[in-house]
Amino acid sequence: NAGVMQNPRHLVRRRGQEARLRCSPMKGHSHVYWYRQLPEEGLKFMVYLQKENIIDESGMPKERFSAEFPKEGPSILRIQQVVRGDSAAYFCASSPTGFGGEQYFGPGTRLTVT
Amino acid sequence: QQPVQSPQAVILREGEDAVINCSSSKALYSVHWYRQKHGEAPVFLMILLKGGEQKGHEKISASFNEKKQQSSLYLTASQLSYSGTYFCGTENNAGNMLTFGGGTRLMVKP
Repeated sequence: NAGVMQNPRHLVRRRGQEARLRCSPMKGHSHVYWYRQLPEEGLKFMVYLQKENIIDESGMPKERFSAEFPKEGPSILRIQQVVRGDSAAYFCASSPTGFGGEQYFGPGTRLTVT
Repeated sequence: QQPVQSPQAVILREGEDAVINCSSSKALYSVHWYRQKHGEAPVFLMILLKGGEQKGHEKISASFNEKKQQSSLYLTASQLSYSGTYFCGTENNAGNMLTFGGGTRLMVKP
């Protein structure tokens, strides 16, 4: 059973460009979470999605950030007009049950904004 | 609010024991423990649900005191492979997310 997959693993963008991060959950998991981790810091929740629905986006900046989890295909975290402060590791995690269930993390996408 | 982990860092000799604590100011439904090595993804260790349970996983076990809103992770007879940063993630009754502590850096030396 393949684990959570994320791509790309590393992404370099210039200020003002768009970044698209993809996450394929583990087979059978319909709950996806996105977290951001700054160097030497903990993980910060961004958004929680189920198929075709955003359940909780309270951790996501109101502007420039959006997320989706379509009926077919991976979940996508999109960052428009990136700024240097967006440089971080972005992890997605999937869960078979959501609330009260374990979350399994993907390898992360390391975004560098130059 | 973010749960508070203590200690922030600990250095052990191989074979020694360690305890990592996680404390929250909010009522908790569950506590999740992860280990992360530098540059890698967090690896799930265990989840404890409210009800005051204790779980074990080889030489790593944990307890959850719902009344005190605290959890502790116990590492016994540590191995070199235990080195990394340990995070607790807490889930309150409203659900929807894990709120992670600041992490505890553990280094095991030969």
